[in-house]
Amino acid sequence: GNSVTQMEGPVTLSEEAFLTINCTYTATGYPSLFWYVQYPGEGLQLLLKATKADDKGSNKGFEATYRKETTSFHLEKGSVQVSDSAVYFCALSVSGNTPLVFGKGTRLSVIA
Amino acid sequence: KAGVTQTPRYLIKTRGQQVTLSCSPISGHRSVSWYQQTPGQGLQFLFEYFSETQRNKGNFPGRFSGRQFSNSRSEMNVSTLELGDSALYLCASSFEGIWTGNTEAFFGQGTRLTVV
Repeated sequence: GNSVTQMEGPVTLSEEAFLTINCTYTATGYPSLFWYVQYPGEGLQLLLKATKADDKGSNKGFEATYRKETTSFHLEKGSVQVSDSAVYFCALSVSGNTPLVFGKGTRLSVIA
Repeated sequence: KAGVTQTPRYLIKTRGQQVTLSCSPISGHRSVSWYQQTPGQGLQFLFEYFSETQRNKGNFPGRFSGRQFSNSRSEMNVSTLELGDSALYLCASSFEGIWTGNTEAFFGQGTRLTVV
């Protein structure tokens, strides 16, 4: 089946630190990969996506590269801000007829 | 344009009762999916409706059901509530379906259900 494994949190960083949140996946077929972010009290928002191998998704200073050889889609940001504090979800979808499959989420706290 | 609207935002129910949650998707979107979010299990897919038809269903008991109306608004119903049904229920809308890879899913803020 299809599944996503994320590094467990919580992750606590100081402002301007480098962020990496690991994500690996298992999928039948060729998935599209996503990172969603959930701010406190809110629903999920799409942060970035990549639809084929070697694609790099980027948004708001966050980046992730679709690595087929390592089945990974790690999220990175060079300098985090307090406003980046949220829960981050890695997800995949396989075109055809399957729903989005999410990882369990990683809570990030950035302190000033 | 208006986002995905879920009502109510908060709900407290007693074991054994039933509950109905509502989701109004973004105008023009035909697909509505429902997810249950809990600290232990994360986000789990409940079901998806597309043009008033259930197109996919997750691995939940029959107490969980849903429907979609001609205006794409969707409701989900949980009967005979159990303590373990306490969760944040999220609805996502998209034009065609969240698994095309080229279609973005937009999520509502969710309904926080507490069963006591």
